[in-house]
Amino acid sequence: DADVTQTPRNRITKTGKRIMLECSQTKGHDRMYWYRQDPGLGLRLIYYSFDVKDINKGEISDGYSVSRQAQAKFSLSLESAIPNQTALYFCATSTGVNTEAFFGQGTRLTVV
Amino acid sequence: GESVGLHLPTLSVQEGDNSIINCAYSNSASDYFIWYKQESGKGPQFIIDIRSNMDKRQGQRVTVLLNKTVKHLSLQIAATQPGDSAVYFCAENYAGRRALTFGSGTRLQVQP
Repeated sequence: DADVTQTPRNRITKTGKRIMLECSQTKGHDRMYWYRQDPGLGLRLIYYSFDVKDINKGEISDGYSVSRQAQAKFSLSLESAIPNQTALYFCATSTGVNTEAFFGQGTRLTVV
Repeated sequence: GESVGLHLPTLSVQEGDNSIINCAYSNSASDYFIWYKQESGKGPQFIIDIRSNMDKRQGQRVTVLLNKTVKHLSLQIAATQPGDSAVYFCAENYAGRRALTFGSGTRLQVQP
């Protein structure tokens, strides 16, 4: 089983719909992250959380919100999806700042 | 502003040759660097990392070189194999920033 699991793996949704992407981990890490990947732009940080009570915006948080339901679960929501949020979304975990981040398999989201 | 970038978007090499993937960074305070490999349909996977107190670090068939003077990082893959075909990302961080910043990636194509 994967250490970092994202659901769904693929999703097509309509403009204006609310959608939630879920991430769960079995690594026991406190730190969790949501990244967005667009072609040619690498991974950009949306939100990050260092524990259940610590949630912070990343460089591209507008239009997104998150919930850290437990140490092992970190969800990303698009309150009203728009087409330019079509991208590949990755959840990641780590034990510290200057350490390796472990990534999930990604969620491919298409907003039509 | 700070940035992490790559010199070449695509690198094509012959099987068995050595590959060198380059990365430039602009923040002189960066003290942690990491390389990830991303295969099609998968999340990024850790390859190797290096801290700023080192110039070179070796792994299995991979070597990372860090030149802090010119703010340059490279990943060398020895005896490149078809399974090495993927997109490679460099990422960096420094004390005080709470998450990795990623470059845009280089696609490595291994020709048989």
